[in-house]
Amino acid sequence: DTGVSQNPRHKITKRGQNVTFRCDPISEHNRLYWYRQTLGQGPEFLTYFQNEAQLEKSRLLSDRFSAERPKGSFSTLEIQRTEQGDSAMYLCASRATGPAVEKLFFGSGTQLSVL
Amino acid sequence: AQKVTQAQTEISVVEKEDVTLDCVYETRDTTYYLFWYKQPPSGELVFLIRRNSFDEQNEISGRYSWNFQKSTSSFNFTITASQVVDSAVYFCALSENKFYFGSGTKLNVKP
Repeated sequence: DTGVSQNPRHKITKRGQNVTFRCDPISEHNRLYWYRQTLGQGPEFLTYFQNEAQLEKSRLLSDRFSAERPKGSFSTLEIQRTEQGDSAMYLCASRATGPAVEKLFFGSGTQLSVL
Repeated sequence: AQKVTQAQTEISVVEKEDVTLDCVYETRDTTYYLFWYKQPPSGELVFLIRRNSFDEQNEISGRYSWNFQKSTSSFNFTITASQVVDSAVYFCALSENKFYFGSGTKLNVKP
């Protein structure tokens, strides 16, 4: 069990540029989640996948954000035309599915700074 | 709609004191799960406990204990004899498929 891996750890970009983050979940986990966390706040839900299917996307998420999980393994989160308000920690988490709601395992996150 | 409230933004205690972190939740679901996570300064969220809505038994794990009261929609977390290493931000979360997190309580344990 190598845990949830996120790359890069840090990303600095200029406003208007596109950025892409990658998440590798725990291999046997079919649920994958993206969250955003700003300073002093709890993680805020963005979207989640069951295998390769994106089941839900937050209404707070603009059309500039898109996520994929093409083969049901790793996932990418892309932000187009970044804005300063996009600066945050982007967290990926995964969990197994079963009769109970299993705990989320989190990665270390990608810290995005938009200048 | 689901909601989690952690009214205590920040708590400071001296080492060896007991401290309780409050969590109040709202949901219309009859089946749900509650969680506590710890986020140390290193940043990675670490799972502490999971509780389902049908299990109101309190739980003790070492210096940690949890008090789940469905009647008041609360799931409070107590650290007994706090230590400096307990300093972190603690999050309460409510889940059906998505996880709804509170805004966290920052705990400072001073030597």
